Amino acid sequence: LAKTTQPISMDSYEGQEVNITCSHNNIATNDYITWYQQFPSQGPRFIIQGYKTKVTNEVASLFIPADRKSSTLSLPRVSLSDTAVYYCLVLGGATNKLIFGTGTLLAVQP
Amino acid sequence: KAGVTQTPRYLIKTRGQQVTLSCSPISGHRSVSWYQQTPGQGLQFLFEYFSETQRNKGNFPGRFSGRQFSNSRSEMNVSTLELGDSALYLCASSTGQPRAYNEQFFGPGTRLTVL
Repeated sequence: LAKTTQPISMDSYEGQEVNITCSHNNIATNDYITWYQQFPSQGPRFIIQGYKTKVTNEVASLFIPADRKSSTLSLPRVSLSDTAVYYCLVLGGATNKLIFGTGTLLAVQP
Repeated sequence: KAGVTQTPRYLIKTRGQQVTLSCSPISGHRSVSWYQQTPGQGLQFLFEYFSETQRNKGNFPGRFSGRQFSNSRSEMNVSTLELGDSALYLCASSTGQPRAYNEQFFGPGTRLTVL
């Protein structure tokens, strides 16, 4: 059974780089790893996705090692508006069901 | 393009009652997934529909059911409500079958409180 775990919370200051890791075993070999951001009273919003190695877009980078048993979301130079809960999303290898990570509350302070 | 809409936004029910929640996906999206979000369990997958067919179901009791209509709109129903069903119910739509590589667009959710 696929399990996805993340740190419960992280604290940072404005301007710092933040790395959030998700551990996921037994994920589907033919699907991506995706990360979402959620603000209070809103649904999650797509940030970035990748299959392996490194992917970068205008807001984040995603690092995925060759064994794909984890992934790391990197947020460069965070600001107060990046305070949110961040989730990884994978497709379970055996269940073929979408599984969200446990979520990481990122608190950015001035 | 309008986003995913969910109705109602808030709902208060009592134990034993049943409830129906509605989700209208983004125009052109054929896939709808439902999730339950609680502080203790996080985001949990309920079920997914693609072209009116339920393609997958999460580990929830049979009291939770859903359907999708020909216009891709979806409803989920919870019968015999329990206190533990209090949660934020989120609906997400995507263009293709629910996979991590298909970006899911979430609605604002329906906050269900069971008293």
